[in-house]
Amino acid sequence: GIQVEQSPPDLILQEGANSTLRCNFSDSVNNLQWFHQNPWGQLINLFYIPSGTKQNGRLSATTVATERYSLLYISSSQTTDSGVYFCAVEPGNYGGSQGNLIFGKGTKLSVKP
Amino acid sequence: GAGVSQSPSNKVTEKGKDVELRCDPISGHTALYWYRQRLGQGLEFLIYFQGNSAPDKSGLPSDRFSAERTGESVSTLTIQRTQQEDSAVYLCASTDGRLRQGYEQYFGPGTRLTVT
Repeated sequence: GIQVEQSPPDLILQEGANSTLRCNFSDSVNNLQWFHQNPWGQLINLFYIPSGTKQNGRLSATTVATERYSLLYISSSQTTDSGVYFCAVEPGNYGGSQGNLIFGKGTKLSVKP
Repeated sequence: GAGVSQSPSNKVTEKGKDVELRCDPISGHTALYWYRQRLGQGLEFLIYFQGNSAPDKSGLPSDRFSAERTGESVSTLTIQRTQQEDSAVYLCASTDGRLRQGYEQYFGPGTRLTVT
């Protein structure tokens, strides 16, 4: 089945710094989402982005589907950005289970004041 | 509007007992998903319901796990004869259509299951 790899696994930032999180996937996808899991465990949708670029405030994301990767940019990080960021994809060729998202292992971000 | 809700938020049970976890999806959402998240890990797909189609059970780890959904509303995940390795957070998500058609998944807060 499709493999989803995220990097780095852990990231520590000083408040105000910028960062880039990466998601590589091994096959074509129909759907790609970025989520933020806050320290209380709630998963919050950040972007639906199977291709192209989107921006929402200090966050932006770019997916280059032909090269099978997506990037999440966090600018001027704040302590409230701490948590785990997950990339999740739906395979485009019905490999394995169809209709559900396959999650990467996440990037754990800690923003220090 | 209201999001996905799950109950209970926490459940502690003894090894060997059965447990039921409940998910109320967003009203009108046709698709419902169950995932499991072990401590410090990503999410593992368990089961997927889409409208009146037969559910995709391919992610269920053993025959001790089962799930039902009543129409396009509430779903119950049942774990029989719980084992310690079943300890995890169980997350439910729903969408307004098929992921491949561009619909986003929205997650509930999860049920933290601890098997002692």
